[in-house]
Amino acid sequence: DGGITQSPKYLFRKEGQNVTLSCEQNLNHDAMYWYRQDPGQGLRLIYYSQIVNDFQKGDIAEGYSVSREKKESFPLTVTSAQKNPTAFYLCASSGDRKNTEAFFGQGTRLTVV
Amino acid sequence: AQSVTQLGSHVSVSEGALVLLRCNYSSSVPPYLFWYVQYPNQGLQLLLKYTTGATLVKGINGFEAEFKKSETSFHLTKPSAHMSDAAEYFCAVSPLGGYQKVTFGIGTKLQVIP
Repeated sequence: DGGITQSPKYLFRKEGQNVTLSCEQNLNHDAMYWYRQDPGQGLRLIYYSQIVNDFQKGDIAEGYSVSREKKESFPLTVTSAQKNPTAFYLCASSGDRKNTEAFFGQGTRLTVV
Repeated sequence: AQSVTQLGSHVSVSEGALVLLRCNYSSSVPPYLFWYVQYPNQGLQLLLKYTTGATLVKGINGFEAEFKKSETSFHLTKPSAHMSDAAEYFCAVSPLGGYQKVTFGIGTKLQVIP
């Protein structure tokens, strides 16, 4: 089945540690996105990538980094510079030029203690 | 530039009653409009979308939405609420054509009262 896989579903880290969240898609989509979700704030865009080896900052990129070495993969690193990293992180992708519908993974809940 | 406003962060309805979730948008170009549903600790699932053509759009689980250009609205409705409809609903907008990031509203949590 085609889709987006995020792993792990739950992640615990100590404060000050970097952590990488995985996102893989087999939908052959060019564009991929990372969102952060906090209660009452909806989805906020962290980074997005429209093509391999290229990515753009979203609205809240500080303290995060990404890479896009393969079309299928768009990992997100939450660095120690992110002051409040505990949140629910969602990865998405979108496909052909006529339809920018986004498909979402199941999310990763990161808790930093 | 584009934006989405969802009126009411929490909506409560009785089981069997009409569901109405409001969404207004602004866009400098013709928009694509979407409604997504999210169950706890899950990703977002597409309910329905408007791209071009018929302004009344039918989606999954009995939901529908009507694109009203003059009112810049895309409200989501369902004639009769079911307990399983309890979830958070997100309206989203993207520009017509090309690769562009989607802009989401802040979400509306729907509570269904037995």
